[in-house]
Amino acid sequence: GAGVSQSPSNKVTEKGKDVELRCDPISGHTALYWYRQRLGQGLEFLIYFQGNSAPDKSGLPSDRFSAERTGESVSTLTIQRTQQEDSAVYLCASSFAGTGGLSVAFFGQGTRLTVV
Amino acid sequence: AQKITQTQPGMFVQEKEAVTLDCTYDTSDQSYGLFWYKQPSSGEMIFLIYQGSYDEQNATEGRYSLNFQKARKSANLVISASQLGDSAMYFCAMRRAPSNTGKLIFGQGTTLQVKP
Repeated sequence: GAGVSQSPSNKVTEKGKDVELRCDPISGHTALYWYRQRLGQGLEFLIYFQGNSAPDKSGLPSDRFSAERTGESVSTLTIQRTQQEDSAVYLCASSFAGTGGLSVAFFGQGTRLTVV
Repeated sequence: AQKITQTQPGMFVQEKEAVTLDCTYDTSDQSYGLFWYKQPSSGEMIFLIYQGSYDEQNATEGRYSLNFQKARKSANLVISASQLGDSAMYFCAMRRAPSNTGKLIFGQGTTLQVKP
C-alpha cells in the first residue's frame, strides 16, 4: 500500500480479554516499530523488527505483550489479559533499513485501545 | 544507551514569529541520524526534517531548519514565520546510522501553541 496501515483504528475491550492489533508496513520496508502513546504523553518504544526477527524487544512492558512479524510484512501486536493501564494509542511505523541515504520512519494512524 | 531530552513541555509563539524547540541527545554512537516529527491533534505523526551526524550543513526544509551543534549534542528545531497550523506536539527522535538499523527513540515532546 501507499502508507502504513493499522487496524482496527479503534478497539474497546473488556478487562481480561485478549486483543490483536495489526500493522501493514509500506511495501519493501524491512524495519518495523511498535510504540505506545498514552494521552498527552510521548512515544514509548515497545519492539523493533528487522525483517521477521526482533533484535530489540526491550520495551515490551510485561509478558502479556507479544509481537510477531511474518513475510517481512504484516506485524501483529498481541496483548493478553488486558488491563485498564493498557489503554493508549498503539502506533506502528516502518522504514527502509540499509546503507546509504536517509531512511525516514513513516507512521500509521494508530489503534486507539480502550480497556473498560 | 541512547537518550533524547526535550525540556520544554509547552511553548507559545505569536503568529508570524519564529520559534525554537529544544532537543538534546546522548549517544555513544559515532554515526547517527536525528529526526523531528509533528503530531497535530488528529494524532498522525508527520516527518519534518532530518540531520545526519556527519552532515556539515544544518538541514533545512521550507520553514523548518535544524540548528545542529554536535559538540553540545543538541538538535534544535527552528520554525520560521509561525502559522496557526503549526500548533501541535513536536517530537525529536534519534537512530543510529548509516545502516539505519536499531530502534528509533523519541523525546517526550513539546506542545507548541501559535497565537493569532
